[in-house]
Amino acid sequence: AQSVTQLDSHVSVSEGTPVLLRCNYSSSYSPSLFWYVQHPNKGLQLLLKYTSAATLVKGINGFEAEFKKSETSFHLTKPSAHMSDAAEYFCVVDRGSTLGRLYFGRGTQLTVWP
Amino acid sequence: DARVTQTPRHKVTEMGQEVTMRCQPILGHNTVFWYRQTMMQGLELLAYFRNRAPLDDSGMPKDRFSAEMPDATLATLKIQPSEPRDSAVYFCASGLNPEAFFGQGTRLTVV
Repeated sequence: AQSVTQLDSHVSVSEGTPVLLRCNYSSSYSPSLFWYVQHPNKGLQLLLKYTSAATLVKGINGFEAEFKKSETSFHLTKPSAHMSDAAEYFCVVDRGSTLGRLYFGRGTQLTVWP
Repeated sequence: DARVTQTPRHKVTEMGQEVTMRCQPILGHNTVFWYRQTMMQGLELLAYFRNRAPLDDSGMPKDRFSAEMPDATLATLKIQPSEPRDSAVYFCASGLNPEAFFGQGTRLTVV
């Protein structure tokens, strides 16, 4: 079975400081992993994906995530937060190999202070 | 710019009425999902299809919900009869291995 745990429901940072959103997963297979972002009253936008290629994945808007199999983690980072990064972020796991049921974490609300 | 299109964006209806939500997947995508988002439950999978065939609808209350893909360009989610607890944002997503793209959602309010 697949599951995702986002370790923080809320993260607050100051503009210009680093962002770390933590995600641990459980999967019986070699998973595909994703981060999605949702701005208020909007749909979900794909930030980045890991699909068994390079373990360090670069996404849009300066975000990165590193797949660590030994730690079953897929944390999302950004070196310098911008006000426009304030949103809810979802870590998502799929069984891998073929797009199938997506398992969502509960989300992390990122607040960016000026 | 290809995108998943959902209609309507907002729907307010009275309890007991039928609600139909529509989704136009991105052309060429073979997998379509329906998710429901609420504050309490987060994002829940209702159903998903591959090549128009339902693969998993275990998350859907069968007595009132139904999901179909009449053709490759249209997916529908129906609720009959609707209840206040169905109030949520319903998202459709389409994908082609390995990633999925979400629509803007239908915000349903049942009064």
